[in-house]
Amino acid sequence: GENVEQHPSTLSVQEGDSAVIKCTYSDSASNYFPWYKQELGKRPQLIIDIRSNVGEKKDQRIAVTLNKTAKHFSLHITETQPEDSAVYFCAASLAGGTSYGKLTFGQGTILTVHP
Amino acid sequence: NAGVTQTPKFRILKIGQSMTLQCTQDMNHNYMYWYRQDPGMGLKLIYYSVGAGITDKGEVPNGYNVSRSTTEDFPLRLELAAPSQTSVYFCASSYLQMNTEAFFGQGTRLTVV
Repeated sequence: GENVEQHPSTLSVQEGDSAVIKCTYSDSASNYFPWYKQELGKRPQLIIDIRSNVGEKKDQRIAVTLNKTAKHFSLHITETQPEDSAVYFCAASLAGGTSYGKLTFGQGTILTVHP
Repeated sequence: NAGVTQTPKFRILKIGQSMTLQCTQDMNHNYMYWYRQDPGMGLKLIYYSVGAGITDKGEVPNGYNVSRSTTEDFPLRLELAAPSQTSVYFCASSYLQMNTEAFFGQGTRLTVV
């Protein structure tokens, strides 16, 4: 089945700096790559996603890039703010058959933004 | 529109007891999932369902059972609770055809003592 590796496990930045989190996936059939943010004690919530027919997607300070050949995708947060502090999860979804839509998550990255 | 609702929010079980974690969604999503999240760790898929009457195992199904008799409900059953099942459990749902966002419930924090 699909395996998603996420790095780094922890990331500490100063307010205003950029943060980059990277993920690799194993199954070339995966075609949907969402990123979730989980604040302490709360549920994961989608912040951005990308599909395999797109190389890059931006939403204000957040961007995601996808390299299908290398099977990796990254989350970029610019001008970080203290409220960006949270755990971020990448995920990959398989396409085809009964595995369609089954999300496999990475291990998570704890992002801390220092004021 | 409530989204995905899980009950209970907290529960303490003794070893060997059983319980059912309830999950219901009102978005008419066909896909539903159960994940567990151990402290400081990621989300591991326990079971998932592509529609009423259809369920399949995820990465960590041992010790759990599920059923999906309706589109809305996807309960998770623990038959013989063990300390290794201490975790936070999240139910989620999504819409199959568009491979879109999974919406999560607020989670159930389970402690087995």
